Amino acid sequence: GENVEQHPSTLSVQEGDSAVIKCTYSDSASNYFPWYKQELGKGPQLIIDIRSNVGEKKDQRIAVTLNKTAKHFSLHITETQPEDSAVYFCAASSGYGQNFVFGPGTRLSVLP
Amino acid sequence: EADIYQTPRYLVIGTGKKITLECSQTMGHDKMYWYQQDPGMELHLIHYSYGVNSTEKGDLSSESTVSRIRTEHFPLTLESARPSHTSQYLCASSGLAEPGGELFFGEGSRLTVL
Repeated sequence: GENVEQHPSTLSVQEGDSAVIKCTYSDSASNYFPWYKQELGKGPQLIIDIRSNVGEKKDQRIAVTLNKTAKHFSLHITETQPEDSAVYFCAASSGYGQNFVFGPGTRLSVLP
Repeated sequence: EADIYQTPRYLVIGTGKKITLECSQTMGHDKMYWYQQDPGMELHLIHYSYGVNSTEKGDLSSESTVSRIRTEHFPLTLESARPSHTSQYLCASSGLAEPGGELFFGEGSRLTVL
């Protein structure tokens, strides 16, 4: 079955700096890769996703890149702000109705 | 804003009690899930359902049970709670028709068993 690894487990950056979180997956059939953000006391919420036919996607300060050959994908946050502090999860899925496999999470702290 | 609701948000009970965690969604989603989230953050799938009268066990073995009598409702029950059941439980739903399909999570039910 699918296995998703995520690094680092914790990340501290200064406000205004960039943050990068990396994930690898094992199942070449996976074709959908979402990123979720979980704020304290809340459930995870989708912030960006990418499908296997696309190499990069950007939405304002966040971007995701996908390397299908190497089976890894990354989340990039630029100009970090204190409100970016949260736990981030990557995930992989192989399609319609299939379950997601989540990475173990990265706790991001943005220091003022 | 996701239309998926969990009650109670917090519950403290004694060992041996029966508890039911409620989860309801108003998005008409076919697929629903229960995840257990440990203090180390990881999300573990314990139950899911493709629709009414469908229930499946997830990747992590759990002593809890679920039912799906109505599309919008997916309650989780523990017949006899133990301290090892202390955890955060997250309910989620998604539309089957969407490739990948965004998961919408509730805000969670934090269970403490004394």
